[in-house]
Amino acid sequence: ETGVTQSPTHLIKTRGQQVTLRCSSQSGHNTVSWYQQALGQGPQFIFQYYREEENGRGNFPPRFSGLQFPNYSSELNVNALELDDSALYLCASSGGQGARNEQFFGPGTRLTVL
Amino acid sequence: SQELEQSPQSLIVQEGKNLTINCTSSKTLYGLYWYKQKYGEGLIFLMMLQKGGEEKSHEKITAKLDEKKQQSSLHITASQPSHAGIYLCGADKGTGNQFYFGTGTSLTVIP
Repeated sequence: ETGVTQSPTHLIKTRGQQVTLRCSSQSGHNTVSWYQQALGQGPQFIFQYYREEENGRGNFPPRFSGLQFPNYSSELNVNALELDDSALYLCASSGGQGARNEQFFGPGTRLTVL
Repeated sequence: SQELEQSPQSLIVQEGKNLTINCTSSKTLYGLYWYKQKYGEGLIFLMMLQKGGEEKSHEKITAKLDEKKQQSSLHITASQPSHAGIYLCGADKGTGNQFYFGTGTSLTVIP
């Protein structure tokens, strides 16, 4: 069974640029959630995708957007990057809709915005 | 404001000592999850508690959810350096599909 993978592991961008982060779900999982974790903080929920549809969103502006593909892999896109977007971005996959299924986390992508 | 408060923020213990981490919510929890995170890495699921008064154990880690389902504690017995990391409690909001975490407790175990 393959776990959750994320790419890239590290990324450096400048303010105003756009970035795409990728997540491959654990085999058999149809739900992906994305989180932003600033240094010294707990992860903050960005949004969740279930069967290719956004299925819940946290308090993040529209420049944070996502996609889920038929194979349940997912992308997180962030436009017009700001310095405060520097964080560890985590994706988690789970077996069903809703937040109560056990989530399996990837290792994260460390984004630095200069 | 944080909906899940964790205490303490950080903890330094000698190997072999017992310790407890607390997670408190102002609202009734529908499910309380404990995760461990190695610095800068992904989260590892430890345990999930759903019923008031529930207690679960895995190896030397025990988690409890109080009867009112508003507070949980994570207890580590005879700590080891491998227990070091950040412990996070998490919960779902009961409606919708949002999941939220506490601020975390950083644990250092000195050999």
